[in-house]
Amino acid sequence: SQQGEEDPQALSIQEGENATMNCSYKTSINNLQWYRQNSGRGLVHLILIRSNEREKHSGRLRVTLDTSKKSSSLLITASRAADTASYFCAITRGTSYDKVIFGPGTSLSVIP
Amino acid sequence: GAVVSQHPSWVICKSGTSVKIECRSLDFQATTMFWYRQFPKQSLMLMATSNEGSKATYEQGVEKDKFLINHASLTLSTLTVTSAHPEDSSFYICSASGPGADTQYFGPGTRLTVL
Repeated sequence: SQQGEEDPQALSIQEGENATMNCSYKTSINNLQWYRQNSGRGLVHLILIRSNEREKHSGRLRVTLDTSKKSSSLLITASRAADTASYFCAITRGTSYDKVIFGPGTSLSVIP
Repeated sequence: GAVVSQHPSWVICKSGTSVKIECRSLDFQATTMFWYRQFPKQSLMLMATSNEGSKATYEQGVEKDKFLINHASLTLSTLTVTSAHPEDSSFYICSASGPGADTQYFGPGTRLTVL
C-alpha cells in the first residue's frame, strides 16, 4: 500500500506544551502535505513541503521531511485548546493532477 | 485562494433512494476532480478521479455503477449515490486541481445519512 502511517494515533497534551506527530510513507513523492480536520468538518490545509525541501515553518507549525527515511514530522509549538483536531499527512507522487493519498491521522487533544 | 464548494453540506435520505452531491470550483477551472469518502474516525479514502469530458477512474473496490460520477464542465463534478443503503452513510469530500496548481483544493464535505 502506498498509504503512510502516522504516529501516534492519538495524542493528549496540556495547553502550552508542544505536540509532535510523525508520518511515514512507502513510495517516492513529489510533495507531502499536512491537513487539520476538526470533528465533523472539512479539511484545513496547513503546509505543503516539496520533496527537495527539508523544513518549513508557518506560525507555530514546523514541518520536516526526510526523504531518505520516507518520513515527515509536524510540530505544533505552544499548543492551544483550539488545536484539538485530527491531523493528516498526505502524499502526492506526481503533480496536483495526481491522487493524494492520506495517512490514517493523529487525533490530538489539547487540555486547557 | 482557490475555493471549492459542495452542495448539499448534509443530506438525509431513505434507503433505496439516490442522492446527488455537487462539487464546484468557484474561481478556477478544474480539469481534474477527486472524490473521497471518510467514515467516522477514519482517514479519507479516494473513491475516484474525474477528468472533465471523460469517464471517471475508480479505485479498486469502488462500485462504479453505485457511485456515478459526472464531470460535465470545468467547474462542476457530481457524485450520485444510487440506491443508497445505510452502509453508504459517510462524509464525502471532493477536491479539485487546476492549471499551475501546486496542490488540490478540498471542498467542505457532504455528510450523507441513509436511514
